[in-house]
Amino acid sequence: GAVVSQHPSWVICKSGTSVKIECRSLDFQATTMFWYRQFPKQSLMLMATSNEGSKATYEQGVEKDKFLINHASLTLSTLTVTSAHPEDSSFYICSAPAAQRSTDTQYFGPGTRLTVL
Amino acid sequence: GENVEQHPSTLSVQEGDSAVIKCTYSDSASNYFPWYKQELGKGPQLIIDIRSNVGEKKDQRIAVTLNKTAKHFSLHITETQPEDSAVYFCAASNGNQFYFGTGTSLTVIP
Repeated sequence: GAVVSQHPSWVICKSGTSVKIECRSLDFQATTMFWYRQFPKQSLMLMATSNEGSKATYEQGVEKDKFLINHASLTLSTLTVTSAHPEDSSFYICSAPAAQRSTDTQYFGPGTRLTVL
Repeated sequence: GENVEQHPSTLSVQEGDSAVIKCTYSDSASNYFPWYKQELGKGPQLIIDIRSNVGEKKDQRIAVTLNKTAKHFSLHITETQPEDSAVYFCAASNGNQFYFGTGTSLTVIP
């Protein structure tokens, strides 16, 4: 299947700093990527849809100024958690569809664990 | 919007037995139903999927069934092995977005 990578896999930062997480589609192009947040023992919560060449679409309740998304190319989307606080600690996962339609088979990255001290 | 419910939330089976996880959905426009396996600290992995024009799909020990009339679909794992232990998520897509179930933690007891 298609491969999606994330970097870093785990990051620990101090409160108030910003953290950037990268999501890459390694063997296919993705005009759309999705960012999810997952709390322990819970399901995935869609945060936003990243669109190459245009602004991201955020889900209700997600602060766009807090979670900055940039879809720089057809293989890279970044999520920047600005001024991180302990409550932002979570598992962040991206996914990308492996076809032209935005909701075809989704392939997930391995996730990034963010711990804010 | 779509509402996906998944049961059970936890499931323990003896090695070699079968495991069944069930999901229901509410939006009749949903037409794509994938299942994901998530191991601790890792991202979800697609294990099998089914589209609304098919009633059943099988891949070795894993099978998925879909009942469009009743709006439910199920994951069947036969001859379970300890490495099948993980959290399994179902999802439903209506062509615009994915909606995930709440997950099932499967434990296969050796």
